[in-house]
Amino acid sequence: DTAVSQTPKYLVTQMGNDKSIKCEQNLGHDTMYWYKQDSKKFLKIMFSYNNKELIINETVPNRFSPKSPDKAHLNLHINSLELGDSAVYFCASSPSWAAGGSNEQFFGPGTRLTVL
Amino acid sequence: AQSVTQLDSHVSVSEGTPVLLRCNYSSSYSPSLFWYVQHPNKGLQLLLKYTSAATLVKGINGFEAEFKKSETSFHLTKPSAHMSDAAEYFCVVSLLHTGSRALTFGSGTRLQVQP
Repeated sequence: DTAVSQTPKYLVTQMGNDKSIKCEQNLGHDTMYWYKQDSKKFLKIMFSYNNKELIINETVPNRFSPKSPDKAHLNLHINSLELGDSAVYFCASSPSWAAGGSNEQFFGPGTRLTVL
Repeated sequence: AQSVTQLDSHVSVSEGTPVLLRCNYSSSYSPSLFWYVQHPNKGLQLLLKYTSAATLVKGINGFEAEFKKSETSFHLTKPSAHMSDAAEYFCVVSLLHTGSRALTFGSGTRLQVQP
């Protein structure tokens, strides 16, 4: 009955490889997000999708490409991985903007990516 | 633009003593404010949220926070610390009126609880 799930939990890979992280939410939310947490614990928004449409794309290299096949899923694909991509990536979801409310976001457990 | 400043990167208290984690925010519009907690190697859990209703907000595990507009503060408190409270705490702001709805995180405060 996990609300927001991510796979894999840990990902270790070599520089230059391409990898994907998957996220699924079963809360019926319309909006999903990817955040990056660096080694100093700082969290920053990367992308946000609302009803499968991209609404936020922060200054993230275009090696990062989010894909939302449906509103319950938001996957993150990373091409040509670099050492600086090592971080913990969190997926989150929130109710529809039209529904109003506080924008409380529900976070997944995180994926720790290590690039060697 | 919106921003959040957590005034202490590290706070250490003794078990059973009060906890105070300080947060100041900057926002041109009415914000939603949150405190999230992250235990070691875990995800983020919502402790409490302020959404322009009562200024004193009660959360889980005995935590509460008071929204003070005049001071642009949203400090987190707990009367008596427990060992299990040791974690990283994030003060977070979200603008209600904007379509982006992304959260802006503070830099975090690491709470250490001594026995």
